[in-house]
Amino acid sequence: KQEVTQIPAALSVPEGENLVLNCSFTDSAIYNLQWFRQDPGKGLTSLLLIQSSQREQTSGRLNASLDKSSGRSTLYIAASQPGDSATYLCAVGGGADGLTFGKGTHLIIQP
Amino acid sequence: DTAVSQTPKYLVTQMGNDKSIKCEQNLGHDTMYWYKQDSKKFLKIMFSYNNKELIINETVPNRFSPKSPDKAHLNLHINSLELGDSAVYFCASSPTQGGEKLFFGSGTQLSVL
Repeated sequence: KQEVTQIPAALSVPEGENLVLNCSFTDSAIYNLQWFRQDPGKGLTSLLLIQSSQREQTSGRLNASLDKSSGRSTLYIAASQPGDSATYLCAVGGGADGLTFGKGTHLIIQP
Repeated sequence: DTAVSQTPKYLVTQMGNDKSIKCEQNLGHDTMYWYKQDSKKFLKIMFSYNNKELIINETVPNRFSPKSPDKAHLNLHINSLELGDSAVYFCASSPTQGGEKLFFGSGTQLSVL
């Protein structure tokens, strides 16, 4: 059974810093890995999708990497801003089996 | 235009009641899902449908019955509500069941008293 772990559970950093969020998963047989952002009281917004054959994806200040063989992914956020404050969720799987989510990293960017 | 819309946003009800949550997507996607987020914010898949056909039914009590009248709609009916059903329920959709990006609704917060 797939298990997804995210470290750290919470992170608070000053504005402007670069930061890395970590995700690990136990079963490497995945279609893809997705990073989502969840704001309080809101739904999830997909940030980046990495297919199983890819190593990384970039969108603006965000870069996500995937090492399927070791069961790891990182989300790198450059030049963090207060608006980046949210919970970041890593999810793996895809296809008809849906996604297995981690418990998220609660990120606070201090102005 | 909201891509994936759920109603209601909030639902407060008594134990033992029956309630429904509706979901519609206007993205033309074939696959729709229901996820449950518990009090510890852990998201877990409940059901997935592809072109109105049930694909996944995780270990969910049979008091929960999804219904897909067409591929743009996936409703969730819950019978005999229990305290433990209190959670946020999210609907989502994807183009196919082939592992593309998921689009989520904004959630329905269910409180059972």
